[in-house]
Amino acid sequence: QQQVKQSPQSLIVQKGGISIINCAYENTAFDYFPWYQQFPGKGPALLIAIRPDVSEKKEGRFTISFNKSAKQFSLHIMDSQPGDSATYFCAALNFGNEKLTFGTGTRLTIIP
Amino acid sequence: EPEVTQTPSHQVTQMGQEVILRCVPISNHLYFYWYRQILGQKVEFLVSFYNNEISEKSEIFDDQFSVERPDGSNFTLKIRSTKLEDSAMYFCASSGGSSYNSPLHFGNGTRLTVT
Repeated sequence: QQQVKQSPQSLIVQKGGISIINCAYENTAFDYFPWYQQFPGKGPALLIAIRPDVSEKKEGRFTISFNKSAKQFSLHIMDSQPGDSATYFCAALNFGNEKLTFGTGTRLTIIP
Repeated sequence: EPEVTQTPSHQVTQMGQEVILRCVPISNHLYFYWYRQILGQKVEFLVSFYNNEISEKSEIFDDQFSVERPDGSNFTLKIRSTKLEDSAMYFCASSGGSSYNSPLHFGNGTRLTVT
């Protein structure tokens, strides 16, 4: 019940296209959903996060869509650039807890 | 921009040996964490540390593991008797508040190889 399922495992998108990564969770106590970006040899870095009181959050080219009833959330990267090539992890947390539960990661490659 | 620093970047040890992984969190942060990532797999929570004590730990964090903040700047993870399955990338993280309210800042990790 603590799992966060992430798909796809890998994704190749052309430059300028839209990258979409999906996550699903089971634990209805989760109420904070961050996305982390990880470049090779580096630690994960927070990209954008959402709480379930809103259905969408946008920061620049990055948007999180959240569907509370379906227990799903997704990351959309608009106008994808080669510099976006990285591994993306969704994660979930519930209030009062310090443990971030990560998804399995998506390796995104943006091709010219 | 302040960052979390981890040393060493790579540590090789023999099974059964003790290892200490070191981290210097961001200076004004109050919450400290260790996560690990087995090659090609997801990032897993090990332990959180606040106010000089463990606030939460996972089932992975058994009696072989311990954490310490020996002074005002360092945060260490000790594995008492390493096993082959401890081979992973270990990430230290810190935040200014709880995970719920403040972003975690991760270091670049220590790759631990147990032979």
